[in-house]
Amino acid sequence: DQQVKQNSPSLSVQEGRISILNCDYTNSMFDYFLWYKKYPAEGPTFLISISSIKDKNEDGRFTVFLNKSAKHLSLHIVPSQPGDSAVYFCAASSYTNAGKSTFGDGTTLTVKP
Amino acid sequence: EAQVTQNPRYLITVTGKKLTVTCSQNMNHEYMSWYRQDPGLGLRQIYYSMNVEVTDKGDVPEGYKVSRKEKRNFPLILESPSPNQTSLYFCASRPGQINEKLFFGSGTQLSVL
Repeated sequence: DQQVKQNSPSLSVQEGRISILNCDYTNSMFDYFLWYKKYPAEGPTFLISISSIKDKNEDGRFTVFLNKSAKHLSLHIVPSQPGDSAVYFCAASSYTNAGKSTFGDGTTLTVKP
Repeated sequence: EAQVTQNPRYLITVTGKKLTVTCSQNMNHEYMSWYRQDPGLGLRQIYYSMNVEVTDKGDVPEGYKVSRKEKRNFPLILESPSPNQTSLYFCASRPGQINEKLFFGSGTQLSVL
C-alpha cells in the first residue's frame, strides 16, 4: 500500500512559467509534509515543508499548498528556471510514528529555456 | 561544513559477500535513517535510529542490518547481499523532530552480481 503517491512521473514547462507538482496521500495521520529536490549524482536536498495545521507555506518562488480534505498537496514554482530541472520528492511523517518517513515516487521536472 | 558522509560512493560485489556501507554526520543529529532508491519506486526507508542504541525497521528492512553505537555513525550492513539489493542507497540525518528537514548523503550505488 503506497501511502504517498506522485502520479506524474515527469513534467516539462517553459522557463518563466509556473510548475505545479502534485502529491496525494492516503494516511490521515500524517502531520508534516516536506518537499525535496534531487539533482543527478547528488543526495536529495530540502526545499520546503508544511504542517498539517496549515494550508499554505511560501518561500520565495516556492509555495506548497495542502488540502487535507482531499489528502492532496501541491508544489508551485513561479517563475520556473532551468536550474529547477531536477527530481522532486514529497515526503510525509506523523508524530505518532516519528521515525518513519514515507516518500513518493518522485516527479522529474524539466524547465526548457 | 555540516554534512552527511557515505562511503563508498560506488560498490560492485558478488552474491553472498558481506559488505558495510558507512554513514557519518557531523551535526550532532539524534535521528539517522537509510533509504534505497529504485526506478519507479522512489525512496523507501530501510532502517532508522531515533538515538544511540535505538534502531527500528522501516518499510524494506529484509536483508539489512544496522547499528548505532555512536551518535555520529550509522552503518548499513548487508550480511549476504543478493542481486535484488542492487540499488542506490542514501543515508540521512536530522536533529530529531519530524518537522525538521533531513540532510542526505551523496549516495552509494551498489551492484550485486
